[in-house]
Amino acid sequence: QSVLTQPPSASGTPGQRVTISCSGSSSNIGSNYVYWYQQFPGTAPTLLIFRNNQRPSGVPDRFSASKSDTSASLAISGLRSEDEADYYCAAWDDSLRHQVFGTGTKVTVL
Amino acid sequence: EVQLVESGGGLVQPGGSLRLSCAASGFTFSSYVMSWVRQAPGKGLQWVSTINLSGGTTSYADSVKGRFTISRDNSKNTLYLQMNSLRAEDTAIYYCVRELLWFGEFDYWGQGALVTVSS
Repeated sequence: QSVLTQPPSASGTPGQRVTISCSGSSSNIGSNYVYWYQQFPGTAPTLLIFRNNQRPSGVPDRFSASKSDTSASLAISGLRSEDEADYYCAAWDDSLRHQVFGTGTKVTVL
Repeated sequence: EVQLVESGGGLVQPGGSLRLSCAASGFTFSSYVMSWVRQAPGKGLQWVSTINLSGGTTSYADSVKGRFTISRDNSKNTLYLQMNSLRAEDTAIYYCVRELLWFGEFDYWGQGALVTVSS
């Protein structure tokens, strides 16, 4: 029952740039901040991006994000093997009155 | 260092109850909104419940409303999730998460507690 839609998978070779999309609506992405979380297998998610495009301390600047209208995207430049993980977008939804998550995207480094 | 440590997970029969606890340390617990987020095996993330600083305001996902109760004890730096009338579809890893604002980002996550509902 995810409200935000992401592609199930994305891949690239080391050094390439990979982009993940996140599609929502006017009640969530269109009117609120977008967050991105990174989750490695068997571990808890961690905050990767907050307030649309801000990186917490310790997050490499290879990770960048943007938002436009009711969609958002996360870009990983200079892809590394350690970037293999699941990535989730999230946003507050004004209609549902709670946080909603994306369907998740598994990034594979070929 | 911020730490959130969940406990209380386990195997329970359908219709049973379980209480999860989340011990917080490394920050002023009473200054943060707290939530529970779950992840069913092989599935995505789902918000479950949120509680405000004092514990006086709570919110629940429709799927757990009336069955789950979130609470906190600021004197013990602990967050709770009382889960009653458990169903197979409640099987998931339950994460305790911290957020500065009610509608803000989940900036720290616990390691998770596995709840399995099965006969």
